[in-house]
Amino acid sequence: GQSLEQPSEVTAVEGAIVQINCTYQTSGFYGLSWYQQHDGGAPTFLSYNALDGLEETGRFSSFLSRSDSYGYLLLQELQMKDSASYFCAVRQPRGGKLIFGQGTELSVKP
Amino acid sequence: EAGVAQSPRYKIIEKRQSVAFWCNPISGHATLYWYQQILGQGPKLLIQFQNNGVVDDSQLPKDRFSAERLKGVDSTLKIQPAKLEDSAVYLCASSPGQGAWETQYFGPGTRLLVL
Repeated sequence: GQSLEQPSEVTAVEGAIVQINCTYQTSGFYGLSWYQQHDGGAPTFLSYNALDGLEETGRFSSFLSRSDSYGYLLLQELQMKDSASYFCAVRQPRGGKLIFGQGTELSVKP
Repeated sequence: EAGVAQSPRYKIIEKRQSVAFWCNPISGHATLYWYQQILGQGPKLLIQFQNNGVVDDSQLPKDRFSAERLKGVDSTLKIQPAKLEDSAVYLCASSPGQGAWETQYFGPGTRLLVL
């Protein structure tokens, strides 16, 4: 089967650092993507890892360990506008199909 | 550049009725995806088109759902007849179609409520 596990909720304070973990079990794997979705909005792309290691994009970083079937999204210097749902998604080899996790709702408190 | 356009944004119907959603992808994007997102869950792929051909429709409930992309540009997704469990947001996404590593760009979605 195909499954992705991530925490359902995370709460942090403004200015802090938060890590959202994702473990996956899928029949095919090409890479791990992260998407952000504000309430009522469209998912927007944040980051993508095809190889092991850390990818950094501004305040956001993403990590992948293919041998452990594990990745995480790291958000630094949290801002109120970062309150949203964050989805990890496995990219399948054929056609680029994405299999999404259930999402992690991040609440940033003042 | 203009993003992915979807209409309508909201739709309320009664069960057993029919409904259709429309999507216009980003200009030049060869790949188009329809996802279903039930409240509190991640998007689930229903169907993927490459130009006007179907790449993956393994999770499309074909007894009631149909989709087409006749000229390889915009697309329609239809539900006939609708069930209560079809209440969800229907998201359309597109990507250039150059390879499996591409970013997908999502539209704002159509929120469907089936009563």
